Amino acid sequence: QVQLVESGGGVVQPGRSLRLSCAASGFTFSSYGIHWVRQAPGKGLEWVAVIWYDGSIKYYAESVKGRFTISRDNSKNTVHLQMNSLRAEDTAVYHCARDQGAGLDHWGQGTLVTVSS
Amino acid sequence: DIQMTQSPSSLSASVGDRVTITCQASLDITNYLNWYQQKPGKAPKLLISAASNLETGVPSRFSGSGSGTDFTFTISSLQPEDIATYYCQQYDTLYTFGQGTKLEIK
Repeated sequence: QVQLVESGGGVVQPGRSLRLSCAASGFTFSSYGIHWVRQAPGKGLEWVAVIWYDGSIKYYAESVKGRFTISRDNSKNTVHLQMNSLRAEDTAVYHCARDQGAGLDHWGQGTLVTVSS
Repeated sequence: DIQMTQSPSSLSASVGDRVTITCQASLDITNYLNWYQQKPGKAPKLLISAASNLETGVPSRFSGSGSGTDFTFTISSLQPEDIATYYCQQYDTLYTFGQGTKLEIK
């Protein structure tokens, strides 16, 4: 079955960096785009970034552009989110999700990132 | 950026009621609109894609309609297991979620 498992979250000081990973299994990973979506505590969903199936195209939300970088390794069925210059407002649960072409049809359970001094 | 305005932000209804949530886009997004359900502590679940396509395995009491800027999500007969927060999401230009509608049982 399709599985997406996030890792790499934790507590980090403002201005520091963190790298999240999303490990995929149960489907042909190299055929699907992958998104990161975050949810601050008690708040709604916020789209963060997407990477195309082959890594050729990447898009970012304005709130993270220039600070976050999405990448993928199709040989390892993994997507990464490198997060630099972290701010308190980046505190959230970060989910990765598979793009079926018209919607995000499978999601991971998420990894919590807390930015605090 | 395309803004998505979802209403109401919260809703209380009785089992068996017909429930409707609306989502308005700031620009024409044709039918590039999805609906998700999120239960507490869980990841979101895709219910409807492309405004009106019910995902496999989703009960038929859920439906979606609309095009352009105005969209509607309906539960024809509310069940206790439908208690959740519902989000619309556009994918015409990048991706934007509505602010969510928290659905509770009266």
